[in-house]
Amino acid sequence: AQKITQTQPGMFVQEKEAVTLDCTYDTSDPSYGLFWYKQPSSGEMIFLIYQGSYDQQNATEGRYSLNFQKARKSANLVISASQLGDSAMYFCAMREGATGRRALTFGSGTRLQVQP
Amino acid sequence: DTGVSQDPRHKITKRGQNVTFRCDPISEHNRLYWYRQTLGQGPEFLTYFQNEAQLEKSRLLSDRFSAERPKGSFSTLEIQRTEQGDSAMYLCASSLGTGDMNTEAFFGQGTRLTVV
Repeated sequence: AQKITQTQPGMFVQEKEAVTLDCTYDTSDPSYGLFWYKQPSSGEMIFLIYQGSYDQQNATEGRYSLNFQKARKSANLVISASQLGDSAMYFCAMREGATGRRALTFGSGTRLQVQP
Repeated sequence: DTGVSQDPRHKITKRGQNVTFRCDPISEHNRLYWYRQTLGQGPEFLTYFQNEAQLEKSRLLSDRFSAERPKGSFSTLEIQRTEQGDSAMYLCASSLGTGDMNTEAFFGQGTRLTVV
């Protein structure tokens, strides 16, 4: 089974509008962390936001927020007030704690295009 | 500090040749990761170092692949007898080994390998 599933290969959004990028995950580990990264065309992965499995509140970082629904195993990224510079690939990733792995498992990504 | 640096940025090689990539992590980071990313996919974990010790290797890392981090600073990834299926972006990342789940990994811009 896929550990991280991103079902939207591509999304369009108008500038200044909000957009939600979907991510569902699969783990039996009670301790895990969820990350979102942005990858512009230059190739570098840029960290955006983190949510821990035990965090009581949804994470927020500036225009980014994470809609964490633990029972549904979803961790959707919400970008408010989209900007042209937000056009990029977005990846959801997970780190599982009890196994001791430090590596991230990534989804297949969503390509976001912001239109003027 | 300029972040994670990878060299070269692009490499074209003939099938059967050996190639070596270099990664210079952020200087105080003791953890270093290699990932591979094929077109349209998220990064896939290859291997992980803590200081100079290689602590984990993915099954993706065939015996043609070898990675080293001799002094716990920079790392090299060598691919012997390259195959066309090795064509991908090779990403390096580093992080501080605090043991915290939320420790983010910082990525380099990657080395794009094309095997012809």
